[in-house]
Amino acid sequence: DAKTTQPNSMESNEEEPVHLPCNHSTISGTDYIHWYRQLPSQGPEYVIHGLTSNVNNRMASLAIAEDRKSSTLILHRATLRDAAVYYCILQLYNFNKFYFGSGTKLNVKP
Amino acid sequence: KAGVTQTPRYLIKTRGQQVTLSCSPISGHRSVSWYQQTPGQGLQFLFEYFSETQRNKGNFPGRFSGRQFSNSRSEMNVSTLELGDSALYLCASSLGWTEVTYEQYFGPGTRLTVT
Repeated sequence: DAKTTQPNSMESNEEEPVHLPCNHSTISGTDYIHWYRQLPSQGPEYVIHGLTSNVNNRMASLAIAEDRKSSTLILHRATLRDAAVYYCILQLYNFNKFYFGSGTKLNVKP
Repeated sequence: KAGVTQTPRYLIKTRGQQVTLSCSPISGHRSVSWYQQTPGQGLQFLFEYFSETQRNKGNFPGRFSGRQFSNSRSEMNVSTLELGDSALYLCASSLGWTEVTYEQYFGPGTRLTVT
């Protein structure tokens, strides 16, 4: 099974950028990288995904290393509502099967 | 558009019993996946159904089973419950098979407690 490694927790100040790292050294060429987050007492929600190129959407940016063995989720301006557990996930191409890592608990300080 | 709904939200069962959980996906979504979330093991993939067929399966014993109906609604069943089956069971729906990078929409989960 594909594996991801993330720091257990990180802290950020409100309205500052946050960089959440993820290592996935065993990634294969056809694995997609997804990020989901889980707010307290809720199911996970989609944040962003990518394959090889960096990606941007209204929520965040995803920076993927050239060798694809690591990626970084970037929240440009953290808010208190961004406090959640962030999961870096690998998805094998053409298989709807997500391998969740242990996640990073993000704490945002006002 | 209504989100993914799961019933019941909370359940208490006794060891040895069996339980059935239900999931209604977002309208138009044909794929339903099930996950188990525990403090010790985190989020683990159970299985995925698409068009009433199990497409993918995780590493869980045969006591865990599921099915999908023609309207895409899905149920999962756990037989001979063990204390270790206490967990939050999450259901996620997505559009379908042909688009690999579709996002999954998760329900709020069913909290199962086995005593």
